[in-house]
Amino acid sequence: SSELTQDPAVSVALGQTVRITCQGDSLRSYYASWYQQKPGQAPVLVFYGKNNRPSGIPDRFSGSSSGNTGSLTITGAQAEDEADYYCYSRDTTGNQWVFGGGTKLTVL
Amino acid sequence: QVQLVQSGAEVKKPGASVKVSCKTSGYTFTNNWMHWVRQAPGQGLEWMGVINPSDGVTHYAQKLQGRVTMTRDTSTSTVYMDLSTLRSEDTAVYYCARDHSNDNTWWFDPWGQGTLVTVSS
Repeated sequence: SSELTQDPAVSVALGQTVRITCQGDSLRSYYASWYQQKPGQAPVLVFYGKNNRPSGIPDRFSGSSSGNTGSLTITGAQAEDEADYYCYSRDTTGNQWVFGGGTKLTVL
Repeated sequence: QVQLVQSGAEVKKPGASVKVSCKTSGYTFTNNWMHWVRQAPGQGLEWMGVINPSDGVTHYAQKLQGRVTMTRDTSTSTVYMDLSTLRSEDTAVYYCARDHSNDNTWWFDPWGQGTLVTVSS
């Protein structure tokens, strides 16, 4: 089965832009979806596919894809964006799906 | 609105089994597959498997094959996840999550509130 690889931790200054990446062979065929998880809470969908943001998610969250890498960009990061972020996609080897290992975002 | 309401926390001994339920409302139960995801303390999200509520067909993560069983009850719009031969490494919060797919993308929305399963002697 394939894997999705994320940087374990990323930091960004308040109001600056940060990109969280997700690498994996399956992303050459499929788009990722992205989830924000704060301590003690269930994950929340923040972006999915080529260009889809769920209602209620601020437009500072955007996504992109190139080759085997999917990216989630936060433009003008806010203190409330500090959380763990996970990518997710289907595996190319069959009816299996997989999460990235997660990225802990710190807003300085 | 769409709601996924899970059963309460469980404490089990090693070797036992646990069954977690996820009762759905606010949409047509058979229209969306349902996945199960777990998260061990301090760890990331782990995909466990999926069930098609329409016909009961399931697909399980390879590492859990033989220990996990997902079922559904269409009369109550509820899905179940049964995990057997529990070990301490199965201690985790277990989530159900409604599947969507389109244009080579799969996503979950919404998620259940999570069920803590603790395996301890």
